[in-house]
Amino acid sequence: DSGVTQTPKHLITATGQRVTLRCSPRSGDLSVYWYQQSLDQGLQFLIQYYNGEERAKGNILERFSAQQFPDLHSELNLSSLELGDSALYFCASSVGPGNSYEQYFGPGTRLTVT
Amino acid sequence: GQSLEQPSEVTAVEGAIVQINCTYQTSGFYGLSWYQQHDGGAPTFLSYNALDGLEETGRFSSFLSRSDSYGYLLLQELQMKDSASYFCAVRDRKGQAGTALIFGKGTTLSVSS
Repeated sequence: DSGVTQTPKHLITATGQRVTLRCSPRSGDLSVYWYQQSLDQGLQFLIQYYNGEERAKGNILERFSAQQFPDLHSELNLSSLELGDSALYFCASSVGPGNSYEQYFGPGTRLTVT
Repeated sequence: GQSLEQPSEVTAVEGAIVQINCTYQTSGFYGLSWYQQHDGGAPTFLSYNALDGLEETGRFSSFLSRSDSYGYLLLQELQMKDSASYFCAVRDRKGQAGTALIFGKGTTLSVSS
């Protein structure tokens, strides 16, 4: 158990819908990262937050957005969902950006878009 | 942009030694990490190299050559439970103040008895 929690574990929704994925980092970690993992694309970095502020952006679509709240939990919002958005979404945390090499991953949310 | 290359599959037998190579191309390199992921599970951190040389952690060792943009993960005394996917990841600068881990596509290791 990494100490990172993610909810829900599974999510099935229809195209065009909007969903919110939630993540709570390990106690003491201030940085949160979001990743998308699909069979053909591997682990893709989406976005990083540190202590409530966006720090780095990867291949995140405009339909996706995220935020980190004062209690350090983070949410990833996915809207206008398409079939291709079906994937495993991981949240990870680290002490801070300087420790981004050692991230602790949550169990993931498996999103299925039908 | 960044790119990482690692073999897609490696097979070995219990008790053997296996080396998983990783070559990378990136603009703002800070270091190379290795992660293990069992089927359907979360990636777990194995090791990190920021400087050239070998880092040893139990049965696993990781090596980095910055001049060659190359690293490897060495797994010794293989056990069945080592069957998993192994990812190399470069710590790269992103934007003004961020660093991100950019992952390779992973190497699936199958250990047989």
